[in-house]
Amino acid sequence: EAQVTQNPRYLITVTGKKLTVTCSQNMNHEYMSWYRQDPGLGLRQIYYSMNVEVTDKGDVPEGYKVSRKEKRNFPLILESPSPNQTSLYFCASSLSRGPDVGEKLFFGSGTQLSVL
Amino acid sequence: AQKVTQAQTEISVVEKEDVTLDCVYETRDTTYYLFWYKQPPSGELVFLIRRNSFDEQNEISGRYSWNFQKSTSSFNFTITASQVVDSAVYFCALSEGETSGSRLTFGEGTQLTVNP
Repeated sequence: EAQVTQNPRYLITVTGKKLTVTCSQNMNHEYMSWYRQDPGLGLRQIYYSMNVEVTDKGDVPEGYKVSRKEKRNFPLILESPSPNQTSLYFCASSLSRGPDVGEKLFFGSGTQLSVL
Repeated sequence: AQKVTQAQTEISVVEKEDVTLDCVYETRDTTYYLFWYKQPPSGELVFLIRRNSFDEQNEISGRYSWNFQKSTSSFNFTITASQVVDSAVYFCALSEGETSGSRLTFGEGTQLTVNP
């Protein structure tokens, strides 16, 4: 089954404790992206990757890191989480890298992160 | 810079009423794509429709219809004879240009509640 798998589904942590949210897709997609969803702000793009070893900042990259060492994996790293990073996070992948990417995006189930 | 505005934060209707969700966008590109997504209470994001900037034809799919008007930079979504299962958060999104599919900008979302 084609899917994007995020782990964990829920995560509670404390300020400053490094964490990684994993994202894996089994569709051989080149394009992968991370979004955060906050009430009243919609989804905002954090980072995206057009291919292995190619990553770029989205609209809200501060406080986050990503890596793309393999095509299937795109982990999101919070080196020193802060309470303002409490949010619902979505990973997505797409066969398309063009402007129609929104039509072909596969989203993960989301990770609800709470930073105390 | 691209921007999407969904001014209606919450809408509440009674079953069988028609409801329209507004979406206004800003872009400097002549080529762009518009999307609508549905996020039911279970949290996953479901793609509903794509429109490109060269196709202003309105579209109907069952009880759903979309009205794209470039003159007012709007891409509104109407649900006819609403049902309880339509209760969800609905997002409008925009992607610009020939190759910038990497930048998918979402609106703030509209929470639709359909009461029995």
